[in-house]
Amino acid sequence: GAVVSQHPSRVICKSGTSVKIECRSLDFQATTMFWYRQFPKQSLMLMATSNEGSKATYEQGVEKDKFLINHASLTLSTLTVTSAHPEDSSFYICSARKDITGQGRGEQYFGPGTRLTVT
Amino acid sequence: GENVEQHPSTLSVQEGDSAVIKCTYSDSASNYFPWYKQELGKGPQLIIDIRSNVGEKKDQRIAVTLNKTAKHFSLHITETQPEDSAVYFCAYLFSGGYNKLIFGAGTRLAVHP
Repeated sequence: GAVVSQHPSRVICKSGTSVKIECRSLDFQATTMFWYRQFPKQSLMLMATSNEGSKATYEQGVEKDKFLINHASLTLSTLTVTSAHPEDSSFYICSARKDITGQGRGEQYFGPGTRLTVT
Repeated sequence: GENVEQHPSTLSVQEGDSAVIKCTYSDSASNYFPWYKQELGKGPQLIIDIRSNVGEKKDQRIAVTLNKTAKHFSLHITETQPEDSAVYFCAYLFSGGYNKLIFGAGTRLAVHP
């Protein structure tokens, strides 16, 4: 299998607070994980690429000091939205790329998403 | 460049009919083309993928074709069922930089009983 979990599934926070979202690959190793943001009825927008043991690579226009990414192990990446504002409300989805080994060929699997609402 | 066009944006079919979604990409060096299905409120699910060394791949009612010369790839769903209703995204692996997937805008498929 190739299961990616995400926690929490839904979170409501007040403006100015920080929120942490966890992404785990449950049954495979993922040196590389990705964080996406999705607005209603739109495609996936890549925010950053997270590599285990090194700094994340952010897409143009994404504030690295606002969206903190930590990829501490081969199965866990976290996204922290700092000083959240209502405009940060969105559906955040993580994805993990299966390492190229005897069982993996680099396929990318997605988590179930986290619905963030900032009030 | 990083671009993929996906058509149609919406598709409505009767149960049992076939559905075809087409994508055109711009990166001629790309060699990996996955398709994802996303149901409402959920994350995308990888349903099939194809690599550039083959022209067609089939998995039960789902098939994908790839024409590297024309830079086209398509998803074919046969004998559609209501549970096939979802948004489908094509993607390709951008060969430059950090090996990231470039996604199409999505196709909203509705299968009517």
